[in-house]
Amino acid sequence: SQQGEEDPQALSIQEGENATMNCSYKTSINNLQWYRQNSGRGLVHLILIRSNEREKHSGRLRVTLDTSKKSSSLLITASRAADTASYFCATVEFYGNNRLAFGKGNQVVVIP
Amino acid sequence: DTEVTQTPKHLVMGMTNKKSLKCEQHMGHRAMYWYKQKAKKPPELMFVYSYEKLSINESVPSRFSPECPNSSLLNLHLHALQPEDSALYLCASSQGQGGTYEQYFGPGTRLTVT
Repeated sequence: SQQGEEDPQALSIQEGENATMNCSYKTSINNLQWYRQNSGRGLVHLILIRSNEREKHSGRLRVTLDTSKKSSSLLITASRAADTASYFCATVEFYGNNRLAFGKGNQVVVIP
Repeated sequence: DTEVTQTPKHLVMGMTNKKSLKCEQHMGHRAMYWYKQKAKKPPELMFVYSYEKLSINESVPSRFSPECPNSSLLNLHLHALQPEDSALYLCASSQGQGGTYEQYFGPGTRLTVT
């Protein structure tokens, strides 16, 4: 099954800066979701963007989706130390088996 | 209550042991999932239950045996595991099966096979 591929793999920023991470995928999708995982813990759903949506906001999060380029980006504005985590994108194929396919993940470290 | 609970938090077992992982949710979700996650890797889907019936088995070895006693509970029975099975085992649930629903994850069970 396809998987999203995030880029870059690791990001280290100062508190207050913005963090941007990207995700690319290979096939037509129904939707794309972003999850956060704090070290060694479960995943927390952040946002779901459907294939007919281009941008979505949730608090300090902004997600874009470009289906022509098969890519998505997650922007975290005004980062906080608590945003230190791994961030995964997960895609649901349009003609697939309706399961989440997780990408490799981005490790984000926010330095206080 | 939007919580998925998993017990135990940590488990160390020998290769000849039999143990079980438990997962519980009280959100009325009808789909429940088991994922396996190795360090610095994304979660890998193992099993999906929908309306208490196994709907997806991702070709998981038979030493992992899932069970869904009721709509709130999901178990994963472990027997004769290998050291390479050491990982974080995550349970998740969603309102319905499929990727159109947000999945709620438990904190995971850290399994070490010696």
